[in-house]
Amino acid sequence: AQSVTQLDSHVSVSEGTPVLLRCNYSSSYSPSLFWYVQHPNKGLQLLLKYTSAATLVKGINGFEAEFKKSETSFHLTKPSAHMSDAAEYFCVVSPVTEGAQKLVFGQGTRLTINP
Amino acid sequence: DTGVSQNPRHKITKRGQNVTFRCDPISEHNRLYWYRQTLGQGPEFLTYFQNEAQLEKSRLLSDRFSAERPKGSFSTLEIQRTEQGDSAMYLCASSRMRGGEETQYFGPGTRLLVL
Repeated sequence: AQSVTQLDSHVSVSEGTPVLLRCNYSSSYSPSLFWYVQHPNKGLQLLLKYTSAATLVKGINGFEAEFKKSETSFHLTKPSAHMSDAAEYFCVVSPVTEGAQKLVFGQGTRLTINP
Repeated sequence: DTGVSQNPRHKITKRGQNVTFRCDPISEHNRLYWYRQTLGQGPEFLTYFQNEAQLEKSRLLSDRFSAERPKGSFSTLEIQRTEQGDSAMYLCASSRMRGGEETQYFGPGTRLLVL
């Protein structure tokens, strides 16, 4: 069984300051891990994914995440927040399998950017 | 635009009515997924198609729900005798396996409100 815990339901930062969104996962298998972003009235957009290659994964819009197996964590970071980053962020886990890739989502972290 | 499209974007219906949603995946994608997202939660897996075959269904998918993908292209999700608890965002995603990896691309969703 797999699960994801996003440790903060809401994060608020000032524009230009660093962003940290925390995610811990539980998986019986070597997992694939993803971060998706959801802007209001828009679909989920993939930010980045980890699939057992490099542990530091770079994504779009300056985001990156580090896979730490010993801590079962996959935290999302960005050095400098922009107003357009305000959105809901989801950490996602799935097994590496030839079958259905049933994504398991965390409950989401709402990121607010203060001017 | 060659992304995943969903129609309608919004649907308001009365309890007991039937509703049908449509998903048009990215054209070369042979895998198609449906998810449901309730307010304040992350999406949850409902069902999975590989080409026209429905290969997995979640226990969330009650007998009132049926999904089809008749020609391995677009898919429909029908809910019969809707209940207020069916109110949610219904998301469709498509993908294909490439080099043992898979990334799901999501549509904008259909928001259902059952009165």
